[in-house]
Amino acid sequence: DAKTTQPPSMDCAEGRAANLPCNHSTISGNEYVYWYRQIHSQGPQYIIHGLKNNETNEMASLIITEDRKSSTLILPHATLRDTAVYYCIVRVAHGGANSKLTFGKGITLSVRP
Amino acid sequence: DAGVTQSPTHLIKTRGQQVTLRCSPKSGHDTVSWYQQALGQGPQFIFQYYEEEERQRGNFPDRFSGHQFPNYSSELNVNALLLGDSALYLCASSWGGQGLYSNQPQHFGDGTRLSIL
Repeated sequence: DAKTTQPPSMDCAEGRAANLPCNHSTISGNEYVYWYRQIHSQGPQYIIHGLKNNETNEMASLIITEDRKSSTLILPHATLRDTAVYYCIVRVAHGGANSKLTFGKGITLSVRP
Repeated sequence: DAGVTQSPTHLIKTRGQQVTLRCSPKSGHDTVSWYQQALGQGPQFIFQYYEEEERQRGNFPDRFSGHQFPNYSSELNVNALLLGDSALYLCASSWGGQGLYSNQPQHFGDGTRLSIL
């Protein structure tokens, strides 16, 4: 699986949009980008995933650049409950059961009041 | 709709002992993956079960073993516990896609916190 690079931390003000960047310059054509977050003392929570088109759900939006070498997770109106470690993961989807997730260190998002 | 459930939530063992952790997948899921998360680190993949067989394995010794039951639930067994096995053990479930190309996300439980004394 391709490696991802995320800054170690960032913060944003409550109510503002949080834009979390991720670089994955060695991504292959059959690899998807997944985002998870982990709030202290809980298991990772799935947020969103995409291949090459931008994706949006009730939690967030995922913007993938045209060359697919980077992406941005957007939380449109951050709240204090969004404070967590966010993981960007690139994963190949192949025949059979799901392939493993390879986690890095993630980015710690701190939402300030 | 219940999500992924794991038991117990906390466990304390001593070196050399054996431990069994349990996981019930989310309804409709047939694939279970196990991860180990040391303090301050991201989760590390241990192995994955699908159709009651181990399908993939990470870089973990044979002391780590598992099982999947016909109802898709799973167990993780660790023998000869070491101090370094202290960690949060996470179970994730997903739909395997009946052997088809699958990009389905994995959904995690809140883990079992294992402490080795």
